[in-house]
Amino acid sequence: EDQVTQSPEALRLQEGESSSLNCSYTVSGLRGLFWYRQDPGKGPEFLFTLYSAGEEKEKERLKATLTKKESFLHITAPKPEDSATYLCAVHKGGTSYGKLTFGQGTILTVHP
Amino acid sequence: DGGITQSPKYLFRKEGQNVTLSCEQNLNHDAMYWYRQDPGQGLRLIYYSQIVNDFQKGDIAEGYSVSREKKESFPLTVTSAQKNPTAFYLCASSTQVNYGYTFGSGTRLTVV
Repeated sequence: EDQVTQSPEALRLQEGESSSLNCSYTVSGLRGLFWYRQDPGKGPEFLFTLYSAGEEKEKERLKATLTKKESFLHITAPKPEDSATYLCAVHKGGTSYGKLTFGQGTILTVHP
Repeated sequence: DGGITQSPKYLFRKEGQNVTLSCEQNLNHDAMYWYRQDPGQGLRLIYYSQIVNDFQKGDIAEGYSVSREKKESFPLTVTSAQKNPTAFYLCASSTQVNYGYTFGSGTRLTVV
């Protein structure tokens, strides 16, 4: 069965304390891995798409990497405004285009 | 500006009542999706549609119904057969070539 597992469930950091969020997946024929940010009571906001192992993408303090079994979202010198739930999702081969399977998310809290 | 509009933001349903959640997009996206989000769980796919007048069941379609009469609109009806409808409902859309979703702001449904 296809699975997407995110860890940790919650992460508390001090402002400036760098860390990483993990997304492990077991799907056949990965076609894309997506990272989203979700603020409380709002819809997810797209961050990155990664398509192949070894690929990396960066945006401000965030950097996403991909291996054959997992993806990491690295947060460098976080600020309180980075506090949110970060969602990982995969699109696998053989499914109708665009249908994504999501992990349960990591709740990130950054204290000033 | 282009985007996805979900309404209402909050909805209260009485026992045995059907309710309809609205989702409208002006992004000219072909595909539209409905996901349900519960605390501590990932987004779960309810229904999706790739073209007008066609839609497919997702992982948790029981107790829900949809229609796709226009490219811009994909309403979701939560029927009385859905025994645990209290959740945060998210609508999304995507193009054929870009698998990233654009999400709406969500509707929070509560049974009273």
